[in-house]
Amino acid sequence: GENVEQHPSTLSVQEGDSAVIKCTYSDSASNYFPWYKQELGKRPQLIIDIRSNVGEKKDQRIAVTLNKTAKHFSLHITETQPEDSAVYFCAASHLLTGNQFYFGTGTSLTVIP
Amino acid sequence: GAVVSQHPSWVICKSGTSVKIECRSLDFQATTMFWYRQFPKQSLMLMATSNEGSKATYEQGVEKDKFLINHASLTLSTLTVTSAHPEDSSFYICSAPRQVNTEAFFGQGTRLTVV
Repeated sequence: GENVEQHPSTLSVQEGDSAVIKCTYSDSASNYFPWYKQELGKRPQLIIDIRSNVGEKKDQRIAVTLNKTAKHFSLHITETQPEDSAVYFCAASHLLTGNQFYFGTGTSLTVIP
Repeated sequence: GAVVSQHPSWVICKSGTSVKIECRSLDFQATTMFWYRQFPKQSLMLMATSNEGSKATYEQGVEKDKFLINHASLTLSTLTVTSAHPEDSSFYICSAPRQVNTEAFFGQGTRLTVV
């Protein structure tokens, strides 16, 4: 099955700096890559997603890049704010099995005011 | 608002008893739903795929007799943790997509504590 690796596991940045989280996946058939933000004890919330036919997508301070050849994708958060502090998960979805998401191990982001 | 509702939000049960968790899609029909398990400070681990009208598909290492899944209608899937033990204590969360390969909406999760 799909194996998604995520780095780093923890990340601390100063407010206003950028944060980058990287993921790799193993199954070349995966074609949908969402990023979720999860606050303690709450459900994951989608923050951005990208499909395999696109190399980059941006939504205000958040961007995701995808390199299909290398099978890795990254989340970029610019001008970080304290409310960005949370755990972020990447995921990969397999073309044939639809929305079974295989999640990365998570990154705990702390934005220091 | 939430499009996937999960109930209960938390439950405490005695060892050896069974617990049922419900996952409902509120404004769309979901032929497929997914059940995940999350240990503290860890990632979401896919347990099984719930298929309306057919048997669930379990991930490797997940005991199907332990975690019974029933997808009785297009808006409801249930996960029953049978003969629960303390090691089953975890955060269980379901998800359902509106369409294939689109955003998956998550339920609010169920915190299960087995004492």
